[in-house]
Amino acid sequence: GEDVEQSLFLSVREGDSSVINCTYTDSSSTYLYWYKQEPGAGLQLLTYIFSNMDMKQDQRLTVLLNKKDKHLSLRIADTQTGDSAIYFCAESSYSSASKIIFGSGTRLSIRP
Amino acid sequence: DAGVIQSPRHEVTEMGQEVTLRCKPISGHDYLFWYRQTMMRGLELLIYFNNNVPIDDSGMPEDRFSAKMPNASFSTLKIQPSEPRDSAVYFCASSFAPGTASGNTIYFGEGSWLTVV
Repeated sequence: GEDVEQSLFLSVREGDSSVINCTYTDSSSTYLYWYKQEPGAGLQLLTYIFSNMDMKQDQRLTVLLNKKDKHLSLRIADTQTGDSAIYFCAESSYSSASKIIFGSGTRLSIRP
Repeated sequence: DAGVIQSPRHEVTEMGQEVTLRCKPISGHDYLFWYRQTMMRGLELLIYFNNNVPIDDSGMPEDRFSAKMPNASFSTLKIQPSEPRDSAVYFCASSFAPGTASGNTIYFGEGSWLTVV
């Protein structure tokens, strides 16, 4: 079945860039997403990318998609303490269009 | 917009008691999802509905769990009897058809934090 994998933890220094990586298995994926979960809250959509795109930029966020390697990354420029959260990678496809498959989440911590 | 509304936000109950979690999806959304989040297992999809009909309940842990959606604006997730291992955050989410051009994301509620002692 479909699977989405990401590392569990990432620690970066404030002001540096954070890069969170994700791999997925479904070659028919149509949309790929990044969600952010702050402590005590639900998941909120940060950004998404359609599968025919390679890159999407939105202010401090840059999403890169390598369809050949089934690899998705999220880069956060100038990481701030408010960026501390769990970041979930997710994918959906026409074959499973009624479900979005989530990764386990990467906990991003910021050190001064 | 009010977003997805869940209640209760926090519940502590004794083992063996019945627990009912409630969800009001975003108006107009025709898909509703129940997820469970734990440290050990991460985010798990329990069940989802389309137009109030359960489509896939393969993620429901066992018969102690049941979910209903009597109308487009309300759903419940019930655990009877509850056990300590059911302690988790339960999220409700709703959307238009995920993965399509018009409804390509789902919106989560704030979660119901359940502790079974």
